[in-house]
Amino acid sequence: EDQVTQSPEALRLQEGESSSLNCSYTVSGLRGLFWYRQDPGKGPEFLFTLYSAGEEKEKERLKATLTKKESFLHITAPKPEDSATYLCAVQAANFGNEKLTFGTGTRLTIIP
Amino acid sequence: DAGITQSPRHKVTETGTPVTLRCHQTENHRYMYWYRQDPGHGLRLIHYSYGVKDTDKGEVSDGYSVSRSKTEDFLLTLESATSSQTSVYFCAISDSGRSTQYFGPGTRLTVL
Repeated sequence: EDQVTQSPEALRLQEGESSSLNCSYTVSGLRGLFWYRQDPGKGPEFLFTLYSAGEEKEKERLKATLTKKESFLHITAPKPEDSATYLCAVQAANFGNEKLTFGTGTRLTIIP
Repeated sequence: DAGITQSPRHKVTETGTPVTLRCHQTENHRYMYWYRQDPGHGLRLIHYSYGVKDTDKGEVSDGYSVSRSKTEDFLLTLESATSSQTSVYFCAISDSGRSTQYFGPGTRLTVL
C-alpha cells in the first residue's frame, strides 16, 4: 500500500527564516511526486511534479527536491503570503493506477 | 485557476436524505475525480471517471455513486447521507490518468 508521511505537522517561522518541509513516501514504483499548496477554505493549488531521484524544481521562494525515499520543499526567505498548508502526493507507476495518495500536510505560518 | 466549479459550495442536510454534488469543468479534460478531505487524513479518492459514462471506484467509495453524462459534468451522489460523510469534497480534473490533477474550490457538506 502506498503511503505518504509529511513532517512537521505545523511549522511557524519568522519572515525571512528559511526552512524545509519533508515528505517521506513508500510506493510500488514512483510515477510522480506532486506538491500542492492549500489556503484555508480553498482547493489545493498545484506547485510541482517531480519524476525521478535527483530532480529539482523551483518557483519563486520554493524549491522541491526528490530522492528515492523522500522529497523536500525548501522555502527560502519566506514572506507572510507563503503561509498555507503544503500537501505532498505520490502516484504509482503501475498502469491503471490513476490515484494520488496524499499526506496530511504541513501547516506553515510565516510571522511578519 | 483551472476552469472548475463546484456546486453547492456549502450544504447542510439531515441523515438519510439524498445529496448530489456537481463538478463542472470548462477545460475539456477527459479525467475527473472526487476526493474527500477530513482532519487527520490526506485527501482520499472516492470515485473517478475516465470518459463519458466511464467511471471506477476509489479507496473510499462505499455509500457514494457517480455519474458522467457529459464531458464537462461529474456528479457525486450520496444516496442516503450519514454523519460520517460530513466532509469537504473536492473535484479534480486531468487530461490523462498520468498527468497533473487540478482541483476545484470544494464543497463543505455537513450531515446532521
